[in-house]
Amino acid sequence: AQSVAQPEDQVNVAEGNPLTVKCTYSVSGNPYLFWYVQYPNRGLQFLLKYITGDNLVKGSYGFEAEFNKSQTSFHLKKPSALVSDSALYFCAVRSSRDDKIIFGKGTRLHILP
Amino acid sequence: NAGVTQTPKFRVLKTGQSMTLLCAQDMNHEYMYWYRQDPGMGLRLIHYSVGEGTTAKGEVPDGYNVSRLKKQNFLLGLESAAPSQTSVYFCASSYLRAGEEQFFGPGTRLTVL
Repeated sequence: AQSVAQPEDQVNVAEGNPLTVKCTYSVSGNPYLFWYVQYPNRGLQFLLKYITGDNLVKGSYGFEAEFNKSQTSFHLKKPSALVSDSALYFCAVRSSRDDKIIFGKGTRLHILP
Repeated sequence: NAGVTQTPKFRVLKTGQSMTLLCAQDMNHEYMYWYRQDPGMGLRLIHYSVGEGTTAKGEVPDGYNVSRLKKQNFLLGLESAAPSQTSVYFCASSYLRAGEEQFFGPGTRLTVL
C-alpha cells in the first residue's frame, strides 16, 4: 500500500531565509509526486509535481522540490521565504500501478517577519 | 469556467440523518475524488471514480456511498450520519493520465450533532 509521511507538523522560518518542508513516500511501482498548498478556509492548490526526468522540479510562487529515489523523498524548498508563504502544505503520491492519490498529514509553515 | 464546485458549503445534521454532497466539475475530467480533512489527519480518501458509472473505495469508505451517473458530477452520500463524520469534505477532479494534478473544490463543512 502506498503512503506518505510528512514528519514535521509545523515549520517556522524567518522571512528571507530558505525553507524546506519534508516528505517521504512509499509506493510499489513508479511514484508520481505532488505538492499542494492550502490557505485558510480554502481548497487545495497545486504547486508542483514530479512525473519523470529531472529530479529538481520547479513550480508556482518560486517553490521547487527535489526527487530522491534512493531516499524515497520529495522535499519542498524555496530559497527565500515570504510571509505570504505561511500556509498548510501537503505532499501526495500516486503509484503508476494504482488510481488512488494519497496525501500526507500536512505541514503548517509559519514565516516569521 | 467554474472549475470544481461543491454544494452545500455548510451543513449541520443530527445523528442518524442522511444527506448528499454534490460535486460538479466543468473541465471534462475523467477522475473524481472525495476526501475528508480532519485536524492532524491530513486528507483521507473516501471514494473515487475513474469514469462515468464507476466508483471505488479509498482509505476510509465506511459510512459513505457515492455515485457517478454523469461524468461531471460525483455525489457523496451519508445514509445515517454519525458525530465521527463531522469533518470538512473536499472534492477533486483530474484528467485521466497518471501524472495529472488534481483540482479541488472549496470544501463542505459538515457538523453532525
